[in-house]
Formats: sequence, structure tokens, C-alpha cells
Amino acid sequence: NAGVMQNPRHLVRRRGQEARLRCSPMKGHSHVYWYRQLPEEGLKFMVYLQKENIIDESGMPKERFSAEFPKEGPSILRIQQVVRGDSAAYFCASAQGINFGYTFGSGTRLTVV
Amino acid sequence: ELKVEQNPLFLSMQEGKNYTIYCNYSTTSDRLYWYRQDPGKSLESLFVLLSNGAVKQEGRLMASLDTKARLSTLHITAAVHDLSATYFCAVEVSGGGADGLTFGKGTHLIIQP
Repeated sequence: NAGVMQNPRHLVRRRGQEARLRCSPMKGHSHVYWYRQLPEEGLKFMVYLQKENIIDESGMPKERFSAEFPKEGPSILRIQQVVRGDSAAYFCASAQGINFGYTFGSGTRLTVV
Repeated sequence: ELKVEQNPLFLSMQEGKNYTIYCNYSTTSDRLYWYRQDPGKSLESLFVLLSNGAVKQEGRLMASLDTKARLSTLHITAAVHDLSATYFCAVEVSGGGADGLTFGKGTHLIIQP
């Protein structure tokens, strides 16, 4: 069991470019959560998805950010027209279901230059 | 809005000493998690506490939960250098975790020889 796989591990983008972060949940897990961690801060919830559905996106910025979890393939967190303030570590967690606990991926560290 | 507060945020201690990290939260919760994070790494699950009075121990770490006081503690006994890390508590909102986890800001623990 490979665990929660995130790629890339590190991503550098220039201001105005797009960033795509991928997350493959653990086998058998159909719930995916994205979190953002700023330096010296805890993780902040962004979005909760199940296959082909966004369940809760209350933590997502209203503009430039979007997430999907298609029927086939990984979950994608997409950030359009990145700005320096988007620099952070983005973690994905997956769960078998509600009340089953969470497994975190290794994160993608996004740097906007 | 659920708030999770940890204290202290920074802790430097000597090997062999005992200390406690506190985690307060503001609303009723189904469960409370403790995680460890090493610099540049993902989150490692330490404990999941499900009910009032729950106590769990693993090696030199012991976690407890008082749901009436909305307080969890992480106690470190006879600290060793390898325990240096950042420790987060995270709370799952009652109702099944549709919002994922709400994290505290973390306690940066440095254990000096």
C-alpha cells in the first residue's frame, strides 16, 4: 500500500503561471481533503471531495483556486495566476469514509517567484 | 467557528525532563488527533482520542482528553532529543468531519542534550 501520493514534491512557478497539484488517495479511500500550511502555521482546511463531487469548499479562496476529484485519476488542486502569497505547503489527506481517520501525503511545496 | 488553541507555541527543554502541551478547543467535537511533523515532512499520526477520559500512551508520549473542559494534553516523559519536532492537535467537528480537521498552530518542541 503506497499511502497517499502527492506530486510534485516541490513546484516553482513564476507569478501569473498556473500550478497543478496532484493527489492519489490510498487504495480504497474515496474521501480526499486538501489543506494549506503557511510557514510556522498549522494546516488550514481548503476543500473536501469525494469522487466527482465537491462536498465542502468553504476553505477555498473564491478566486483562482479550484479542485476536482474525477472518476478516474488523482485529485487535482489547481491555482491559476499564482501570486507570492500562494507560496505554501499543500497537503492532501484521504479517508476511507467519515469517522475512519485520515492519512496525509508528503505534501507539495509551492514556491512562487 | 471552531477555534483550536495550543500552548505553548515554542518549548525548549532538556533531555530527561517532563512537560505537557495543552490543546483547547471551542465547540463540541467527535474526536481529537495529535500529529507530529518534522521539518519539511508530512504529518505523522500519533493519537486519536474518541471519548471523554480517553488516555493513550506510546513510548514517552501520553495523550488525554477531557471533553467537558474541551481540553487535551500531550505529556512528554523523560524527553529525548529524537522527540524534537512540531506537534499539532486537530479537532474533528461533530457531525462526521465534513469540514475535515481544524488544527492548532502547533508547538515547536526543541529538546536539548
